[in-house]
Amino acid sequence: ETGVTQTPRHLVMGMTNKKSLKCEQHLGHNAMYWYKQSAKKPLELMFVYNFKEQTENNSVPSRFSPECPNSSHLFLHLHTLQPEDSALYLCASRGQAGGETGELFFGEGSRLTVL
Amino acid sequence: GQNIDQPTEMTATEGAIVQINCTYQTSGFNGLFWYQQHAGEAPTFLSYNVLDGLEEKGRFSSFLSRSKGYSYLLLKELQMKDSASYLCAVMDSNYQLIWGAGTKLIIKP
Repeated sequence: ETGVTQTPRHLVMGMTNKKSLKCEQHLGHNAMYWYKQSAKKPLELMFVYNFKEQTENNSVPSRFSPECPNSSHLFLHLHTLQPEDSALYLCASRGQAGGETGELFFGEGSRLTVL
Repeated sequence: GQNIDQPTEMTATEGAIVQINCTYQTSGFNGLFWYQQHAGEAPTFLSYNVLDGLEEKGRFSSFLSRSKGYSYLLLKELQMKDSASYLCAVMDSNYQLIWGAGTKLIIKP
């Protein structure tokens, strides 16, 4: 239990569907992140929010739309995805001072399959 | 460009010692992280190095040489539960994390 919870854990969707991924952190952190993890590739940073404000959008296609209503919740809205978007989507949080080292705390991820 | 290199896969025997290397080329350096990720689970923080030298934490140790752009994670007295992927990440001058592709460690009895 890392203190970061992601739902759903698994999602299968068609290319015309609209779905959302949810992330909730119980650590009192102020920064939240979305990463994409594909097999044998480095983690790809997608979005960063600090104090609910988006501070990073790493050239992510508009078919991915993030939402951060408060410092504890983060959503990733998905629509008209492509099969190459199939991956594990990881949410992470980080404290303002980052504790001793500024490490990230990750959720277990949402495994997305686009048919 | 920025780059982190680590071996794709390694195999070791239960009870033995294994060293996982990580080399990096980044724009600046503000620390190096190692994370462990079991299949289907969240990556979890293992270690952080910002100064040269060895940091020991139980069976795991992490070493850093900034002049060589090099780090390693040393796992001693390997247990079956150490089978996982190990991710190396460097924080650059903009405090952005640059990630390696991870090393899958397979432990055999």
